[in-house]
Amino acid sequence: DGGITQSPKYLFRKEGQNVTLSCEQNLNHDAMYWYRQDPGQGLRLIYYSQIVNDFQKGDIAEGYSVSREKKESFPLTVTSAQKNPTAFYLCASSILEGDTQYFGPGTRLTVL
Amino acid sequence: EDKVVQSPLSLVVHEGDTVTLNCSYEVTNFRSLLWYKQEKKAPTFLFMLTSSGIEKKSGRLSSILDKKELSSILNITATQTGDSAIYLCASTSGTYKYIFGTGTRLKVLA
Repeated sequence: DGGITQSPKYLFRKEGQNVTLSCEQNLNHDAMYWYRQDPGQGLRLIYYSQIVNDFQKGDIAEGYSVSREKKESFPLTVTSAQKNPTAFYLCASSILEGDTQYFGPGTRLTVL
Repeated sequence: EDKVVQSPLSLVVHEGDTVTLNCSYEVTNFRSLLWYKQEKKAPTFLFMLTSSGIEKKSGRLSSILDKKELSSILNITATQTGDSAIYLCASTSGTYKYIFGTGTRLKVLA
């Protein structure tokens, strides 16, 4: 089945730790995105990548980092520099940038 | 600054009712408007509306784009409990960027 997978589903982190969220797609999409969703707020773009080995900052990139070494994979690292990391993180992909985005099931990160 | 505003923020109806969700946008170089349904996890795509396709329909759901008023509505007729979800509206500008509204939380009571 084609789709987008994210892991883990739930993640708990102690303050000061870096954590990496996985996002994999087998849709052969070129573009991939990371969003953060907080209660009462719309999805906010963290990073996006239009092509392998290239990515750009979104609106709230501070405290996050990404890599795009393979077309299928776009992992997000939440660093200790992110002051309020507790949120629901969604990964998405599209055939090309600007096309319809399809979302993964999300990872809920909680900082203890 | 580009923005998308949805209303109402939340809505409670009974099964069989018809609901209308609103989305207004202020986006430079508007390209398209999209509707998603988010139940518990991943938003699932419903419709994309562009200047060349301003009305879409799928079963009990339909959506219209009003380019003059810079807005869109999502209609759901004969609502069912399975329609309970957060409905997200997003507008795209130029290239990659999706601007999302805060969503409308719909609850359908049996």
